[in-house]
Amino acid sequence: EAEVAQSPRYKITEKSQAVAFWCDPISGHATLYWYRQILGQGPELLVQFQDESVVDDSQLPKDRFSAERLKGVDSTLKIQPAELGDSAMYLCASSPPSKGYEQYFGPGTRLTVT
Amino acid sequence: AQSVTQPDIHITVSEGASLELRCNYSYGATPYLFWYVQSPGQGLQLLLKYFSGDTLVQGIKGFEAEFKRSQSSFNLRKPSVHWSDAAEYFCAVAAGRDDKIIFGKGTRLHILP
Repeated sequence: EAEVAQSPRYKITEKSQAVAFWCDPISGHATLYWYRQILGQGPELLVQFQDESVVDDSQLPKDRFSAERLKGVDSTLKIQPAELGDSAMYLCASSPPSKGYEQYFGPGTRLTVT
Repeated sequence: AQSVTQPDIHITVSEGASLELRCNYSYGATPYLFWYVQSPGQGLQLLLKYFSGDTLVQGIKGFEAEFKRSQSSFNLRKPSVHWSDAAEYFCAVAAGRDDKIIFGKGTRLHILP
C-alpha cells in the first residue's frame, strides 16, 4: 500500500539553527499539505500545494518558514532560524485529484528545539 | 469560520466496553465532517467522513458516527473496544470537499485490560 514518506522522523536542533524536513507524497497525488501539530493540539495547516503552486500559506510564518515543491512531487519545509516555540510534530499529507477531503498522512517529523 | 470542540481531553474505558467520543462543530451551513485516529508517534488515519445523506456513517475498524444537525454534533461510537484502539482521536470539519480541514484538539482514549 502506497504511503506518504517523511524524513527525518526525529530532529533535535538548537535555536537559531536552520532545519529542513522532506516529504514524498503518494504517487499521483497532486495536492500536498504541511501541518504543524503542537503537543496536545490538533494539526494546523501551514501550507497547501496544488502541483508546484502554493494554494494556501496563510498560516505559514513567512519570516522564518519556507516551503517548496519545485517539480510538483516531493516537498521541503524549512525553518530558519528555529525558535523554541517551533518544537512540534510536522506532518505531511497528500490527497488524490479532486479529493481534498481524502488526505493521507505521513508519520511526521518530531522537532525539538533546544 | 468553522470550528470544532472535543469536550473530553481523556477518556478511559475497559476493553470490551462501548465507546462514545463527543464532537461539536460550529458552522453555518452543512459541514463536511471527519474523524481521524492517531496512534502514538504516527500520522493521522481517516476513520470516516460525512458529507450528506444518511446521518449514520460507517467507518473502518468497526467505528461509526452520527450527524445530528439539531445538536451540531458528530459523535464517534464503537460497540466494543479493543486494546489496539488506544490512540488519539480527532474530529474535524471543512466547509467543502476541497476546503481546509479544521481539526479539534483531540481526545486521548485509554483502554483498561
